[in-house]
Amino acid sequence: GAVVSQHPSRVICKSGTSVKIECRSLDFQATTMFWYRQFPKQSLMLMATSNEGSKATYEQGVEKDKFLINHASLTLSTLTVTSAHPEDSSFYICSASHGQVIYEQYFGPGTRLTVT
Amino acid sequence: KNEVEQSPQNLTAQEGEFITINCSYSVGISALHWLQQHPGGGIVSLFMLSSGKKKHGRLIATINIQEKHSSLHITASHPRDSAVYICAALGNEKLTFGTGTRLTIIP
Repeated sequence: GAVVSQHPSRVICKSGTSVKIECRSLDFQATTMFWYRQFPKQSLMLMATSNEGSKATYEQGVEKDKFLINHASLTLSTLTVTSAHPEDSSFYICSASHGQVIYEQYFGPGTRLTVT
Repeated sequence: KNEVEQSPQNLTAQEGEFITINCSYSVGISALHWLQQHPGGGIVSLFMLSSGKKKHGRLIATINIQEKHSSLHITASHPRDSAVYICAALGNEKLTFGTGTRLTIIP
């Protein structure tokens, strides 16, 4: 099956710093990538949808200036958490779909962010 | 009220038991996913279905579009099946996730 990787798997950063998370589709071209956030014992919540070469579409309540998403190529999307605060500590998961088949999403392993 | 509801929230069973996890949704959907999330967080997509029934190994997923209900069954459950199982409904090209069912299989 299709493989999606994320890097890093875990990151600890200090409050006020920025951290970048990468999401890569390893064996297919991902025209659409999704970024989710999951707090402990809660559902995944969609943060934004990004299509290659265009601006990301953010969900209501997600600050686009704080969570910068770049989908510069068909195999890579990045999420940058700017000026991180402890409340941004969460599990961030990306997924990717190829072609026009939005409903076939392949999930990355996730990145656990801890802001101290 | 969540648009996607799962039951039970927690399920503990003995190895070998037949497991059923239920998912009800209130939105119109084009497809429904069943996902497995192991400790550590990685998510594996188990099934994507829009009608009927699918089977993969010991896992079976069914969906009833009219009743807006889906079930995930595990036959001959094993401790390695212990995980959180999440259903996610796809509508308007977005996935809406249930809160998950934490399954623990005791040897």
